[in-house]
Amino acid sequence: AQSVTQLGSHVSVSEGALVLLRCNYSSSVPPYLFWYVQYPNQGLQLLLKYTSAATLVKGINGFEAEFKKSETSFHLTKPSAHMSDAAEYFCAVSKNQAGTALIFGKGTTLSVSS
Amino acid sequence: DAGVTQSPTHLIKTRGQQVTLRCSPKSGHDTVSWYQQALGQGPQFIFQYYEEEERQRGNFPDRFSGHQFPNYSSELNVNALLLGDSALYLCASSFGGGGTEAFFGQGTRLTVV
Repeated sequence: AQSVTQLGSHVSVSEGALVLLRCNYSSSVPPYLFWYVQYPNQGLQLLLKYTSAATLVKGINGFEAEFKKSETSFHLTKPSAHMSDAAEYFCAVSKNQAGTALIFGKGTTLSVSS
Repeated sequence: DAGVTQSPTHLIKTRGQQVTLRCSPKSGHDTVSWYQQALGQGPQFIFQYYEEEERQRGNFPDRFSGHQFPNYSSELNVNALLLGDSALYLCASSFGGGGTEAFFGQGTRLTVV
């Protein structure tokens, strides 16, 4: 069965600092991995996805993630945090690259201080 | 271009009652998926509708049922509400039975008292 584990329910950074949100996956088949962001009182927005085309995936808003099979990880990074990045971030896995029937992690709340 | 719209935005129901939530997919989309997001948790997949039929289902009891209409809009019905059904219910739409990226609505916040 597929699953994802997000390490750290809360991450706090200063504006301009590196953002690192951790995600490890468990899958018996090659996974399709996704990162979503959820702002307060809003739905989910896709940041980026891994579909085996490239191990380093660039997404929107300056975020990127690297797929590491040896570590079963898909950590999300951003070189310089902005106040507007404060939100809830979810890692998810799916059996297909479109991302249907997604299996989500519990989420990581990112706080950004000035 | 209207995105995914859900109604109502908030709802309060009493334990044991029944509730219907509605979703209109993004223009051009024909597939609707429903997720339940409990407070402090990630969304959990309930089921997906395509061509007016339930195509995939997550680990939810039969109290959760749905419907898709010819115009691709969808309803989620929950019978015999439990306190534990209190959650944000998210609808996501895509095209071709889930062959394209899913776009999420803002959700319906259901509170069961």
